[in-house]
Amino acid sequence: AQSVSQHNHHVILSEAASLELGCNYSYGGTVNLFWYVQYPGQHLQLLLKYFSGDPLVKGIKGFEAEFIKSKFSFNLRKPSVQWSDTAEYFCAMIGGSQGNLIFGKGTKLSVKP
Amino acid sequence: DADVTQTPRNRITKTGKRIMLECSQTKGHDRMYWYRQDPGLGLRLIYYSFDVKDINKGEISDGYSVSRQAQAKFSLSLESAIPNQTALYFCATSDRQGATDTQYFGPGTRLTVL
Repeated sequence: AQSVSQHNHHVILSEAASLELGCNYSYGGTVNLFWYVQYPGQHLQLLLKYFSGDPLVKGIKGFEAEFIKSKFSFNLRKPSVQWSDTAEYFCAMIGGSQGNLIFGKGTKLSVKP
Repeated sequence: DADVTQTPRNRITKTGKRIMLECSQTKGHDRMYWYRQDPGLGLRLIYYSFDVKDINKGEISDGYSVSRQAQAKFSLSLESAIPNQTALYFCATSDRQGATDTQYFGPGTRLTVL
């Protein structure tokens, strides 16, 4: 069965620290991968997505993610976080050509000013 | 952000009541989805619709029903609400591009069942 795992439930960082949020997926075929962000009290917004090509994907607000097929991973990174990055981050995948979006359980990021 | 709207934004109801949550979109997308979000569980798919005549069950459809009244409207009903249906409900839409779909989410409806 297809699934997405996010390793950290809650990450606490100070401003200017570097961020890496882990995401692993379970699926043997072609996948399309997404990171969504949910700011407090708001709806989900797309940060970035990978469909094919360059495995290093750049998104909005300085975020990037790297698809490593051999590790079934799609980790999210940001070199220097800001207080405004405090949010919940969801990794998601679509496996195959007609699959639906499957979400991980989310990682809450708290950035201390 | 106003492309996908949900009504109501908040609703408190009692066990056994029938509730309808509505979703409208102006993006012109064919595909629409209903998810529920629970703390620590992420988002789980309830129902989805690839066009007006196509309705499919998702991961957790028991206790829910849907209606696709038009391309732009997709309603979720709880026929007899129960407390464990207390959650944040999101509607989403996507264009007909198969696996390269990007889903766009509405603002959510916070439902509390007492």
